[in-house]
Amino acid sequence: NAGVMQNPRHLVRRRGQEARLRCSPMKGHSHVYWYRQLPEEGLKFMVYLQKENIIDESGMPKERFSAEFPKEGPSILRIQQVVRGDSAAYFCASSPMAVSNQPQHFGDGTRLSIL
Amino acid sequence: GDSVTQMEGPVTLSEEAFLTINCTYTATGYPSLFWYVQYPGEGLQLLLKATKADDKGSNKGFEATYRKETTSFHLEKGSVQVSDSAVYFCALSDAGNMLTFGGGTRLMVKP
Repeated sequence: NAGVMQNPRHLVRRRGQEARLRCSPMKGHSHVYWYRQLPEEGLKFMVYLQKENIIDESGMPKERFSAEFPKEGPSILRIQQVVRGDSAAYFCASSPMAVSNQPQHFGDGTRLSIL
Repeated sequence: GDSVTQMEGPVTLSEEAFLTINCTYTATGYPSLFWYVQYPGEGLQLLLKATKADDKGSNKGFEATYRKETTSFHLEKGSVQVSDSAVYFCALSDAGNMLTFGGGTRLMVKP
């Protein structure tokens, strides 16, 4: 029973480059959430997706950030033209259904560093 | 909007001491409440949860009771171990399903 798989674990980019973060949810989970954790802070919600649909993107910056969860394959969080302030740990979580009392299962995160 | 406030750390205790980490919340609906733990370099692991008022969540010696009247969900453990050293996050989930987290409390347990 594989958990939530994120890759890469560490990603280094130069300012202006693109970052692609991947997340494969737990088997049987069709709901994916992305969170961002700045150093020494809590996690902040970014976006909630179901297969082929964005359900809530209220926490995601309007520019440079996008997310998708295609019918086949992992969910992708894409950051274009990265800046220093994008340096953070990005966590993906999944759940089997859209019910608030169901816990979300987290991956180990991708630590993005911008040079 | 929803929010979670937890005590700032770090909290430093000796092994076998009693632990309390305070957590209070504000929410418009009837949220579910969670405690997650994060070990260095890892993701968050669910520690315990409570889904309605007066529910007590418990796991690995940790407990927390959902107190609607005080909007609190304080984490307690009677006797901490060095292996409990980690960052603890209180969180709530409301109608929108996303989690709202507190800022985290770092616990350091010394032998």
